[in-house]
Amino acid sequence: SQTIHQWPATLVQPVGSPLSLECTVEGTSNPNLYWYRQAAGRGLQLLFYSVGIGQISSEVPQNLSASRPQDRQFILSSKKLLLSDSGFYLCAWSVPTSGRADTQYFGPGTRLTVL
Amino acid sequence: QKEVEQDPGPLSVPEGAIVSLNCTYSNSAFQYFMWYRQYSRKGPELLMYTYSSGNKEDGRFTAQVDKSSKYISLFIRDSQPSDSATYLCAMSDNTGNQFYFGTGTSLTVIP
Repeated sequence: SQTIHQWPATLVQPVGSPLSLECTVEGTSNPNLYWYRQAAGRGLQLLFYSVGIGQISSEVPQNLSASRPQDRQFILSSKKLLLSDSGFYLCAWSVPTSGRADTQYFGPGTRLTVL
Repeated sequence: QKEVEQDPGPLSVPEGAIVSLNCTYSNSAFQYFMWYRQYSRKGPELLMYTYSSGNKEDGRFTAQVDKSSKYISLFIRDSQPSDSATYLCAMSDNTGNQFYFGTGTSLTVIP
């Protein structure tokens, strides 16, 4: 069966510090991978998605970046965190069929607080 | 106009009640419809998945899709306190790899 891991689970960082969140998926190959941010009381905001190693699509302009160094690894980074980067970060995966993805599964999330 | 609209609630019902959660959408190209359950401080968990129109039942949960009205519903029968969570609807089309989410409805089932 497939499993998705995220770490750390909780993170408190000062403004201006760097960030690295990691997501790995087990039990599947060539998944699509996604990073979302969920602010308190709000919906899911798609930040990045990737259809393959080194292929990253960005949905919103921001000081965050993403990388996919391996097939089942997705990393979210920032060089300098802003207060507005606080939120609940979710990694998700899906298995594309005939070039499209029809459903996706989420990791446990990382709660980031920027002070 | 947002792609997907969902009443945020909060919704509070007594144990044993039938719960109806709904989403409307604007893009007629959506073909795949999902409901997720999200407990506080946890990642969303896939609850129901439906392709195109029709009904799908899984235990106490029934998902309905009405593409002509661009309206989807999730019904929970015999609601339990453990059903207390936020429910997110989501959908996607045939053309890409993106998913569109509602903002979620917060449900509390009172014992």
